[in-house]
Amino acid sequence: AQSVTQLDSQVPVFEEAPVELRCNYSSSVSVYLFWYVQYPNQGLQLLLKYLSGSTLVESINGFEAEFNKSQTSFHLRKPSVHISDTAEYFCAVSGGGYQKVTFGTGTKLQVIP
Amino acid sequence: DVKVTQSSRYLVKRTGEKVFLECVQDMDHENMFWYRQDPGLGLRLIYFSYDVKMKEKGDIPEGYSVSREKKERFSLILESASTNQTSMYLCASSSGAGATEAFFGQGTRLTVV
Repeated sequence: AQSVTQLDSQVPVFEEAPVELRCNYSSSVSVYLFWYVQYPNQGLQLLLKYLSGSTLVESINGFEAEFNKSQTSFHLRKPSVHISDTAEYFCAVSGGGYQKVTFGTGTKLQVIP
Repeated sequence: DVKVTQSSRYLVKRTGEKVFLECVQDMDHENMFWYRQDPGLGLRLIYFSYDVKMKEKGDIPEGYSVSREKKERFSLILESASTNQTSMYLCASSSGAGATEAFFGQGTRLTVV
């Protein structure tokens, strides 16, 4: 069985400030980890993913996440947020067959001007 | 670009009606999924399919069934809609086995009255 815990349901942050969205997972097998973003009234889009190799992964819009196996975490960070980053962010884990993906409950990032 | 299309963005149905939610993907993906999204609960997997005519129960299959007669199309069926099935429904697809990302449709917001 696998599960994902996103510790914060809402995170307000001022524009240009740094942010960290926390994600912890549990799985009995090797995992693949994902962060998805959902803008208002849209479906989910992949932000970044960890499959293997370097534990630090980056997205094209300045987000990064670090896979920490000992702490079973995959926190998402951005050094300086923009208004356009306002969205809901979902952490997800996959480790089972046929690509069953388990999602966390989501964190709403609210960027304040 | 991968495209996952859900037939309706908004749907209102009466209690007891049979409801069909349709999803079509255009990238020849083997895997298709149906999730429901509720505030504070994140995305929960209802059913998934890894091949034509194959289906597996997800975490919350009760009250739902699915059909996959063609590779590109995955239908979610509510045999007798109830008010507790009012939710956002998201369809997704991904290719084969391995750690590939899931591509999501825009979602169908279903209201059962």
